[in-house]
Amino acid sequence: AQSVAQPEDQVNVAEGNPLTVKCTYSVSGNPYLFWYVQYPNRGLQFLLKYITGDNLVKGSYGFEAEFNKSQTSFHLKKPSALVSDSALYFCAVKLSGGQNFVFGPGTRLSVLP
Amino acid sequence: DTAVSQTPKYLVTQMGNDKSIKCEQNLGHDTMYWYKQDSKKFLKIMFSYNNKELIINETVPNRFSPKSPDKAHLNLHINSLELGDSAVYFCASSQPGYNTEAFFGQGTRLTVV
Repeated sequence: AQSVAQPEDQVNVAEGNPLTVKCTYSVSGNPYLFWYVQYPNRGLQFLLKYITGDNLVKGSYGFEAEFNKSQTSFHLKKPSALVSDSALYFCAVKLSGGQNFVFGPGTRLSVLP
Repeated sequence: DTAVSQTPKYLVTQMGNDKSIKCEQNLGHDTMYWYKQDSKKFLKIMFSYNNKELIINETVPNRFSPKSPDKAHLNLHINSLELGDSAVYFCASSQPGYNTEAFFGQGTRLTVV
């Protein structure tokens, strides 16, 4: 079955420190990977995506993600965390002819002042 | 201008009632989705439409019926509401294809009492 895993329910990091939110995937064929962020009582906002090419993808709000085919991972990173980055982060893969996103369970990021 | 808008934002109703949630997108996208987010924040696809045609129907009870009058609208009608239907429902849209991200509405929090 094709799936996305986010092994950490919660990530805590101090403001100004680098952050990593982990994602691993299991898909047949080429993976098309996405990161979304959800702030409280809001919809999901797109951060970045990996389709092909460079393994390091840059996205919104200073976030980037590293695609690693051998480890089937797509970890989200930011060099210096802000308190305002505190939110729920979802990794997703696109399937079914491009008609369906399958989401990971989400990781809650808390950035402490 | 809101790209994907859902109404209502909150919906509280009694068991057994019938209710509808409306969704409109002004992005010119061909594909629209309904996702359900449960109390643990898991996101699961319910339906996917491409240009008014149903593409995905993910083992959703027959009480849920999507309707797409045109490609900018995808409404969700729910009959005979049950307690277990309480969740946040998100509408989203994207262009078809593997490399396109989705844009989400702000969600409709449905509470069945």
